[in-house]
Amino acid sequence: GESVGLHLPTLSVQEGDNSIINCAYSNSASDYFIWYKQESGKGPQFIIDIRSNMDKRQGQRVTVLLNKTVKHLSLQIAATQPGDSAVYFCAVLTRTGGSYIPTFGRGTSLIVHP
Amino acid sequence: EAGVTQFPSHSVIEKGQTVTLRCDPISGHDNLYWYRRVMGKEIKFLLHFVKESKQDESGMPNNRFLAERTGGTYSTLKVQPAELEDSGVYFCASSRGGRTEAFFGQGTRLTVV
Repeated sequence: GESVGLHLPTLSVQEGDNSIINCAYSNSASDYFIWYKQESGKGPQFIIDIRSNMDKRQGQRVTVLLNKTVKHLSLQIAATQPGDSAVYFCAVLTRTGGSYIPTFGRGTSLIVHP
Repeated sequence: EAGVTQFPSHSVIEKGQTVTLRCDPISGHDNLYWYRRVMGKEIKFLLHFVKESKQDESGMPNNRFLAERTGGTYSTLKVQPAELEDSGVYFCASSRGGRTEAFFGQGTRLTVV
């Protein structure tokens, strides 16, 4: 089955710095990749996604990079703010029948110091 | 539009007891997923419903866990009898058919003592 891993369980940054969170996956047939943010006491919330036929996608202050050659995914957060402190999960989606089932990694806890 | 709601938000039960978790997905979402996160580990897939049918239950740990989705609306996840290792946060998510974005509930924190 699919395995998804993150390189660092915790990332500490200073407010205003850029943050990079990494993720590795195993299934080269994966179709979509999503980054979720989970704040304390809440469920994971969608941040940004990328299709397997893309290598970069940008949102507001966030960029996702996909390197299919080495099966690696990253989330870059520009000008990190205290409100960005949360656990970030990458999810790899593989189409099964007519549905997509997200497979998650362990999560990286982002701590932003003011 | 209401989001995915889960009940209860917290549950503390003794080993051997039974607990039933409930999930109300977003209206119109055919796909419903159950996940569990044990402290510090990954969010682990448990099972997937399409409407009232179990599409994939490969992640269910053992036969102490029973999920239902009668009528294809809300879902319940029953643990009977609960064991200490069942402690964790149970998340429910839903999505529209064929769509990639799954919306999560706030989770139910289950503690078995």
